[in-house]
Amino acid sequence: AQSVTQPDIHITVSEGASLELRCNYSYGATPYLFWYVQSPGQGLQLLLKYFSGDTLVQGIKGFEAEFKRSQSSFNLRKPSVHWSDAAEYFCAVAPSNDYKLIFGAGTTVTVRA
Amino acid sequence: GAVVSQHPSRVICKSGTSVKIECRSLDFQATTMFWYRQFPKQSLMLMATSNEGSKATYEQGVEKDKFLINHASLTLSTLTVTSAHPEDSSFYICSARDHGQTSYEQYFGPGTRLTVT
Repeated sequence: AQSVTQPDIHITVSEGASLELRCNYSYGATPYLFWYVQSPGQGLQLLLKYFSGDTLVQGIKGFEAEFKRSQSSFNLRKPSVHWSDAAEYFCAVAPSNDYKLIFGAGTTVTVRA
Repeated sequence: GAVVSQHPSRVICKSGTSVKIECRSLDFQATTMFWYRQFPKQSLMLMATSNEGSKATYEQGVEKDKFLINHASLTLSTLTVTSAHPEDSSFYICSARDHGQTSYEQYFGPGTRLTVT
């Protein structure tokens, strides 16, 4: 069965420091990959997505992610975090033959001053 | 563009009553909408896929008679929680696919917080 793993439940990072959130998926073919962010009590906002092509994807709010087929990973990065980046981050996968999204458990990011 | 709204944003109801949550795509047509449930500090769990003009497809373990889904138009899907009980209290989020796009992207609504007393 397809699955998405976000190994880090909670990450604390200092404002201005870099951030990397890990995501690994289990699927036979290359799926469609997404990163979403959720602020407390809110819906999800798409940060970026990968369907094909360049494996380094640029998103909104200064985020980027790199697809590595050999590692079945799609890690999210930001060079310098802002206090407003404190939120819950979800990696999601859509198998190429299905429109359903499979979500990882999420990573909570706390930003300290 | 690609805005999805949900109404209400918060609702409190008494145990045994029914609650209807609306999900609307405001600037696009959505033949497919999805309903998710999210418990505190947890991920989103897909409950069902709602297809315009046909019956919803429920995920394993989701009671179709308890969570009634209707997708009567290309811009509106509703989720009715029937005979609600405190264990139904949760955050319900809908999403929609743009009928005019071939991408797999889903656009999410802001969610509805249901509290059953």
